[in-house]
Amino acid sequence: DQQVKQNSPSLSVQEGRISILNCDYTNSMFDYFLWYKKYPAEGPTFLISISSIKDKNEDGRFTVFLNKSAKHLSLHIVPSQPGDSAVYFCAASPSFYNQGGKLIFGQGTELSVKP
Amino acid sequence: GAVVSQHPSRVICKSGTSVKIECRSLDFQATTMFWYRQFPKQSLMLMATSNEGSKATYEQGVEKDKFLINHASLTLSTLTVTSAHPEDSSFYICSARDYAANEKLFFGSGTQLSVL
Repeated sequence: DQQVKQNSPSLSVQEGRISILNCDYTNSMFDYFLWYKKYPAEGPTFLISISSIKDKNEDGRFTVFLNKSAKHLSLHIVPSQPGDSAVYFCAASPSFYNQGGKLIFGQGTELSVKP
Repeated sequence: GAVVSQHPSRVICKSGTSVKIECRSLDFQATTMFWYRQFPKQSLMLMATSNEGSKATYEQGVEKDKFLINHASLTLSTLTVTSAHPEDSSFYICSARDYAANEKLFFGSGTQLSVL
């Protein structure tokens, strides 16, 4: 039972263009969502998060959008850079105050940004 | 930023042996650490929550006698895969919560376990 789904295993984008990574969830109890970036042979690193009281959070080139009614969130990277090439994981938590550890991860989307 | 060190990064062992993986928070104290497992092309699955000074909390379906967790200090948690079998081959990764950093999670670099 995959509660957090990233249906696109891979995405290829040209440098300078927008990258859009999508994530769907099924559990309406989730109220905190995070995106992590992972390079090969390294652990995931935190990228950006959003709580369910918001529908958008922006940090530099990264913006996360949350559509609660559709149980869908997306990560936008603009402009995309070759260094953004990595696997991106979407994660959800049932509580903002219990976000640590009790995260449900998606399968990841491998982003490739071509020069 | 906070650093979590995980060791070893890769281990190959024979079936039936036990393997210990260490997870250290280098510049912060972590009362809670977490162990995940990831199969190729799949998501990270939480195995257990490691609590300093008390027993670990295991997720449903994870054998506590198979995956022994010890969190004896505020900076170290260990995961021991006992009597490893080929089906235990996986990528194991730990994380720790830094309460001083808005409770953010920081991950170790992971351990690739291969059981022959």
